[in-house]
Amino acid sequence: ETGVTQSPTHLIKTRGQQVTLRCSSQSGHNTVSWYQQALGQGPQFIFQYYREEENGRGNFPPRFSGLQFPNYSSELNVNALELDDSALYLCASSVPSGGAHETQYFGPGTRLLVL
Amino acid sequence: KQEVTQIPAALSVPEGENLVLNCSFTDSAIYNLQWFRQDPGKGLTSLLLIQSSQREQTSGRLNASLDKSSGRSTLYIAASQPGDSATYLCAVKPGSARQLTFGSGTQLTVLP
Repeated sequence: ETGVTQSPTHLIKTRGQQVTLRCSSQSGHNTVSWYQQALGQGPQFIFQYYREEENGRGNFPPRFSGLQFPNYSSELNVNALELDDSALYLCASSVPSGGAHETQYFGPGTRLLVL
Repeated sequence: KQEVTQIPAALSVPEGENLVLNCSFTDSAIYNLQWFRQDPGKGLTSLLLIQSSQREQTSGRLNASLDKSSGRSTLYIAASQPGDSATYLCAVKPGSARQLTFGSGTQLTVLP
């Protein structure tokens, strides 16, 4: 069984540019969640996709957008990059059961540095 | 709005000590609580998941407890080893949402 993978591992961009981060879900998982983790902080929820539709969004501006594809892989796009967007971006996949045993499986993350 | 707090922010102990990490949350309406481990610059590894109806879970040298009514959880690590050095994060799954809400973590250093 393949785990959650993310690409690229590291990325350097300049302020104002656009970036696309990619995530491949664990086999059989139809839900993908994206989180932003600033240095020294816990991950903050950006949004979740379920069967190619956005299924919940955290307190992030519209310049953060996403896509989920029929194979359940996903992209996170960030436009007009700001210095504060520098962070570790984590992708997590799951199968929503609505039950108390439901968990998310995290990828290794993409480290984004905005200069 | 659910808030999760972890105390202490950092902890340094000599090898072999038993230790306790603390996590508190403001809204007791949760589906479950999870403890994760994160090595520097890496993703999250799930250690233990406690369902809302459970009081504790154990895995090897790790034991996590949950007291929903008081909004508290503890992660007990027995006989700590240098390989346990990492940041430990707790996260709750609110009953009304799909996403996890995380604390800021406790950075643990176990000295040889």
